Amino acid sequence: GENVEQHPSTLSVQEGDSAVIKCTYSDSASNYFPWYKQELGKRPQLIIDIRSNVGEKKDQRIAVTLNKTAKHFSLHITETQPEDSAVYFCAARKGGTASKLTFGTGTRLQVTL
Amino acid sequence: EADIYQTPRYLVIGTGKKITLECSQTMGHDKMYWYQQDPGMELHLIHYSYGVNSTEKGDLSSESTVSRIRTEHFPLTLESARPSHTSQYLCASIRTGSYEQYFGPGTRLTVT
Repeated sequence: GENVEQHPSTLSVQEGDSAVIKCTYSDSASNYFPWYKQELGKRPQLIIDIRSNVGEKKDQRIAVTLNKTAKHFSLHITETQPEDSAVYFCAARKGGTASKLTFGTGTRLQVTL
Repeated sequence: EADIYQTPRYLVIGTGKKITLECSQTMGHDKMYWYQQDPGMELHLIHYSYGVNSTEKGDLSSESTVSRIRTEHFPLTLESARPSHTSQYLCASIRTGSYEQYFGPGTRLTVT
């Protein structure tokens, strides 16, 4: 089955700096890669996703890049703010009707003032 | 409002009790999932369903069971709760043909 590895497990950056979280996946048939943000005590929220037919996607301060050849994808957050502090999860899924997300182990991002 | 609802949100129960965690969604989604998560930690898939009368076990072995009699309803049952079941349980759903998976607010379970 699919295996998703996520690094780093914890990340501390100063406000205004950029943060990068990286994930690798094992199944070349995976074609959908979402990123979730989970604030303390709250549910995971989808913040951005990318499909395998594109290499990069941006939404304001966040962007995701995908390298299908190397089987890795990354989340980039620019101009970090304290409200970006949360746990971030990457995930991967194959296409088709019988599909489920495989999650990474999470990255705890702390944005300090 | 279209959303995923979970009840109860918090539950403290004694060892050996039978409990059912409720999950309902009003978005017409046919795929539903249950995850177990210790706060801020990894998400473990314990059960999923692709439609009415369809249920499958997930990647993490669980002593719980699920049923899917109605499209909008996917309850999870623990026949005999144990302290090792203490965790947060998250329900999620997705519409066939869509990629986006949405999570419910979770039930935080404590077994004493």
